[in-house]
Amino acid sequence: DVKVTQSSRYLVKRTGEKVFLECVQDMDHENMFWYRQDPGLGLRLIYFSYDVKMKEKGDIPEGYSVSREKKERFSLILESASTNQTSMYLCASSAGQGLSPLHFGNGTRLTVT
Amino acid sequence: GQNIDQPTEMTATEGAIVQINCTYQTSGFNGLFWYQQHAGEAPTFLSYNVLDGLEEKGRFSSFLSRSKGYSYLLLKELQMKDSASYLCAAFNTDKLIFGTGTRLQVFP
Repeated sequence: DVKVTQSSRYLVKRTGEKVFLECVQDMDHENMFWYRQDPGLGLRLIYFSYDVKMKEKGDIPEGYSVSREKKERFSLILESASTNQTSMYLCASSAGQGLSPLHFGNGTRLTVT
Repeated sequence: GQNIDQPTEMTATEGAIVQINCTYQTSGFNGLFWYQQHAGEAPTFLSYNVLDGLEEKGRFSSFLSRSKGYSYLLLKELQMKDSASYLCAAFNTDKLIFGTGTRLQVFP
């Protein structure tokens, strides 16, 4: 079974802090994604990556950056956390190009105070 | 633009059949995915359709009509554990775009 592991289940940070959300997958998947999930808005794509050192902006990249130094690890960075970034963050991975199902991690619930 | 619509909430009775509809408008459409998400948990993959028609997987089936921009998820012999949110997602060129999800409550 594919395992996607997010380093923290719950996180509380202060406004202005730099926040790192880590995600690791163990199935040698090429593709990795970061979504945030908010009530009434569903899952929205922040950034994705189809290869090491490669990144693409999703639908809501503002206020975020990512890093993919190794194939198995995809990090989401909030340079200066703000209260509107309080959300559930979900990392996912998939194999190859095209129509492969996404496998999600358990999520990190981030609260910015 | 991109738009995916599905009902916000549905209720059904244990043992019954329920159909969850999804309509989509996206450019570069390549396929339609369905995910199940229990409260407080990660979404899990249920099925996907690339071509028109019905895909059956046990109690769950998914249908796609590309010309109508329409899909549905059919759940048969409903069980209490099927109470969850069901997410419709369209694969658009190189990424998966999700709808807001349909929360299904199954009553005894």
